[in-house]
Amino acid sequence: SQQGEEDPQALSIQEGENATMNCSYKTSINNLQWYRQNSGRGLVHLILIRSNEREKHSGRLRVTLDTSKKSSSLLITASRAADTASYFCATLNTGGFKTIFGAGTRLFVKA
Amino acid sequence: NAGVTQTPKFQVLKTGQSMTLQCAQDMNHNSMYWYRQDPGMGLRLIYYSASEGTTDKGEVPNGYNVSRLNKREFSLRLESAAPSQTSVYFCASIWTGDEAFFGQGTRLTVV
Repeated sequence: SQQGEEDPQALSIQEGENATMNCSYKTSINNLQWYRQNSGRGLVHLILIRSNEREKHSGRLRVTLDTSKKSSSLLITASRAADTASYFCATLNTGGFKTIFGAGTRLFVKA
Repeated sequence: NAGVTQTPKFQVLKTGQSMTLQCAQDMNHNSMYWYRQDPGMGLRLIYYSASEGTTDKGEVPNGYNVSRLNKREFSLRLESAAPSQTSVYFCASIWTGDEAFFGQGTRLTVV
């Protein structure tokens, strides 16, 4: 089974609202990353958080990591219609080279 | 600076035919990866290469072979294509422990 599992599977919000997506994983990790994928396109890296970090910000993005619970959350503040996309978490296992992706959260931001 | 380049972008194969998907990166990354993405799903790791001269199985390696030709190139071969291999294939390269850079994908249909 996949290392990362996101929830919810789909999320629909109004423009201006905040969107929160969660990711759980199973084994110890070196880092956790979040990616965005627009329909039919390749994935674009958003943010990386290392296992010794608890919170990280990048523009309207805020990521938290709780290694004791093996979980992470991605918060997008003041969402825009252009944020409509699928969001995936990915984990790099400790001491390894495997980067494994979850099934993703599909975010719909209504204008 | 092209990043990660995949060829071809689209391919239709008949069951039993073989083909090779090509991937090249110009970022001097050590690690390269092949993923497949089925409709509405996340990415599943097929094979990866941590460094030139090494390859390892990922989550779904059956029916595929890979070659790390040199540091720049990592190819994926389907020896006898099956309809279950209809998918979008993504190549990625990573500087160890850092973010992944993705190609734009190859849409493969096996009929």
